[in-house]
Parts: sequence; structure tokens; C-alpha cells
Amino acid sequence: DTGVSQDPRHKITKRGQNVTFRCDPISEHNRLYWYRQTLGQGPEFLTYFQNEAQLEKSRLLSDRFSAERPKGSFSTLEIQRTEQGDSAMYLCASTRGGLDTEAFFGQGTRLTVV
Amino acid sequence: SQQGEEDPQALSIQEGENATMNCSYKTSINNLQWYRQNSGRGLVHLILIRSNEREKHSGRLRVTLDTSKKSSSLLITASRAADTASYFCATEGLNTDKLIFGTGTRLQVFP
Repeated sequence: DTGVSQDPRHKITKRGQNVTFRCDPISEHNRLYWYRQTLGQGPEFLTYFQNEAQLEKSRLLSDRFSAERPKGSFSTLEIQRTEQGDSAMYLCASTRGGLDTEAFFGQGTRLTVV
Repeated sequence: SQQGEEDPQALSIQEGENATMNCSYKTSINNLQWYRQNSGRGLVHLILIRSNEREKHSGRLRVTLDTSKKSSSLLITASRAADTASYFCATEGLNTDKLIFGTGTRLQVFP
């Protein structure tokens, strides 16, 4: 087990294009979270999954954002019609679930929309 | 949205000194956690303190929690240059399974 991995590490895209990020959690972890972080700020919660079920979405997540975890393993986060304001670090984390469990984070995907 | 605010926003100290960071949050919690983030990297879990605990230690880290004041502090003793990073508190609220992060403290330790 090599921890949480995210791909790609960096993405530069033109405004209006669609982008998709992938997260592979720690294999025995059933919860997977997506966060967004801008410079100088803490991570902001976007959405999370319990196995393949998406349990909560932040109001920050506009209808241009969609996330999936089809088999309860890896997850994808897609942003359609990207805007410059979408430029940020997108972080994925996984946990074993239950109370009082620590989150393990990936290295993040840095998105730049030009 | 951010649950917590951290104070100070930035802290610069010399190696060997202690660093203290404070976190205030807004709603009742199951636990509070502290994470560290090196520049441009993912977050690493440092320590978790449950709502019924008041103090916890891990190596050079000491965390306190005051639920009546909705605040926590992280003390790093005998700091090292390698401690230079951003530090975030995160709360797991009641009836929720997500961690909500504070705004962070940027710590710079000079050799």
C-alpha cells in the first residue's frame, strides 16, 4: 500500500475546457473525500463517498462539478466548462470510516485555468 | 466554508524555541485534529484529540482542547527548521462524517 495517489499532479487547461482528476485511496478505506484549496487558505470540503455512494455535496460544488466512485475504489472529479476561478489545488483523502479516524491525503492535483 | 480560524496566521521563530498555534471553531465536535502541510504538498495527520479529552501529547507535540471555549492549541516544543510548514486544525462535527478545516498557521523556523 503506497497511500493515496492522485493523477495528474498538475493540469493546465484553457477556460471552457473539461478536466477530470483521479484519486486512488488506500485500499481498505471505504470513505473518500474531495477538497479544494486555494493559496493561503485551508482545504474546503467539496464532497465525500461511503463506498460507491456519494453522501454529501457542498453548496460550493456547482453543477459544473461532478464526482463518481463507481466501484467503491478509485474516484474521479470532473469539472466542465472550466473557469479561471476553478484554479486551485484539488485534494483527495481517504479514511477507514467511523468516528475518530484520521484522514490520509494525496499530494493533490494543481489545476491552472488560463 | 471554514469551520475554524487559526491564530496567528503566520509565526516566525528560531530553532529550539517553542511554537504555539491556536484554533477556534464554531460548532460542537466529536474530535479535533491537527494536520501539517509542506508547501504545495498534501496534508499529513499529526494528532487527534477527542471531545472528552483535555490534553494529548505525541513526541514534541502537545495539544489542548477547551470545548467550553471552542478552542484548541498546538504546542511544538524545541522546534527544528524541518518543522517549517503550514499547520491546520480540523474538526469532525456531531452528526457529520466530514472534516472541516481552519485557515491555517504558517510556521517558519529559522536555523
